[in-house]
Amino acid sequence: AQSVTQPDIHITVSEGASLELRCNYSYGATPYLFWYVQSPGQGLQLLLKYFSGDTLVQGIKGFEAEFKRSQSSFNLRKPSVHWSDAAEYFCAVGFTGNQFYFGTGTSLTVIP
Amino acid sequence: GAVVSQHPSWVICKSGTSVKIECRSLDFQATTMFWYRQFPKQSLMLMATSNEGSKATYEQGVEKDKFLINHASLTLSTLTVTSAHPEDSSFYICSARGDNTGELFFGEGSRLTVL
Repeated sequence: AQSVTQPDIHITVSEGASLELRCNYSYGATPYLFWYVQSPGQGLQLLLKYFSGDTLVQGIKGFEAEFKRSQSSFNLRKPSVHWSDAAEYFCAVGFTGNQFYFGTGTSLTVIP
Repeated sequence: GAVVSQHPSWVICKSGTSVKIECRSLDFQATTMFWYRQFPKQSLMLMATSNEGSKATYEQGVEKDKFLINHASLTLSTLTVTSAHPEDSSFYICSARGDNTGELFFGEGSRLTVL
């Protein structure tokens, strides 16, 4: 079955520490890959996306993600976390049709 | 990037009444829009696909008579929660495709509370 998995439901990091949020997908072909961030009570903001080409993509707010075809992964990283990064993060996969699937989300807490 | 706007952001209504939520694409035309529902601490669940000029396509388990979707123009889709009940209280988010690459642009979301 097709799926998007975010293994970590909740992550806590100290401000200034590095961050990696995991995302794995299970599809027959390479989909379009996205990371979105959602602050409490807000909609979703696109952090970055991968369609093709360079497997390391840079996004907004200092985030980056690396697509690894062999692992069917698209992990999100940030070298130094800021307190304002505390939010819910969703990995998503999309296709040229109407299918668009979200992971269950990872809640990030940043400790001062 | 493309902008999608939802209105209202917050709405409180009495049980049994109907509530309409609007989703607009502000700087592009969207033949297809999507409506999601999000429960607290959970991911987004696709409710339906709204197609301009035709009937919406509902996901399994979503009551089409309760959640009425109208996509009358290329920039506006509406979701009407009819005869709302407290269990309909949720965060509703719309989205639209900006181009052929598959990226979705999301509205700010609308929080519905049914008393």
